[in-house]
Amino acid sequence: DQQVKQNSPSLSVQEGRISILNCDYTNSMFDYFLWYKKYPAEGPTFLISISSIKDKNEDGRFTVFLNKSAKHLSLHIVPSQPGDSAVYFCAARDFGNEKLTFGTGTRLTIIP
Amino acid sequence: NAGVTQTPKFQVLKTGQSMTLQCAQDMNHEYMSWYRQDPGMGLRLIHYSVGAGITDQGEVPNGYNVSRSTTEDFPLRLLSAAPSQTSVYFCASRGTSPTQYFGPGTRLTVL
Repeated sequence: DQQVKQNSPSLSVQEGRISILNCDYTNSMFDYFLWYKKYPAEGPTFLISISSIKDKNEDGRFTVFLNKSAKHLSLHIVPSQPGDSAVYFCAARDFGNEKLTFGTGTRLTIIP
Repeated sequence: NAGVTQTPKFQVLKTGQSMTLQCAQDMNHEYMSWYRQDPGMGLRLIHYSVGAGITDQGEVPNGYNVSRSTTEDFPLRLLSAAPSQTSVYFCASRGTSPTQYFGPGTRLTVL
């Protein structure tokens, strides 16, 4: 029973274009969503987050959109840069127990 | 400010051996947790702690023990290693916000 799903294992995008990473969830108790970026042989690093009371949050080149009715969130990276090549995990917090549930990740490759 | 540190970086064990993965944080965070990452599985929660002296099980706790005697340290113990425990292990901590901060990981191989 996977409560957080990232259906695209990989994504390739030309440098300078927009990268869109998607995440779907099933648990209505999730109230806070986060995106982490992970390079090989390193721990995940926090990228951006959004509370369920908002539908958009921006931080520089990164924007997260939340559609609660569709139980869907997406991460937009504009413009994409070679250093953005990494695995991206979305995660959701359960309001009831504060645990984080992670998706399986999407490997983003930026083509120069 | 080192953040979250983990030792060792790499470890190879034989089936049945025991070991302790160390995790420490210097941010005075009350909440600490252990995850394992396996191919195609994302990060799965093993055990977590909401403060010194308090621990609880996550999604995949079998075969692992934890204790939390201080705010800074949260070791993970494998009492009798099995090949199914071959994985990359991450420790994380957080303060009052929901954002967890991760250590660099320990890559464990059980033969």
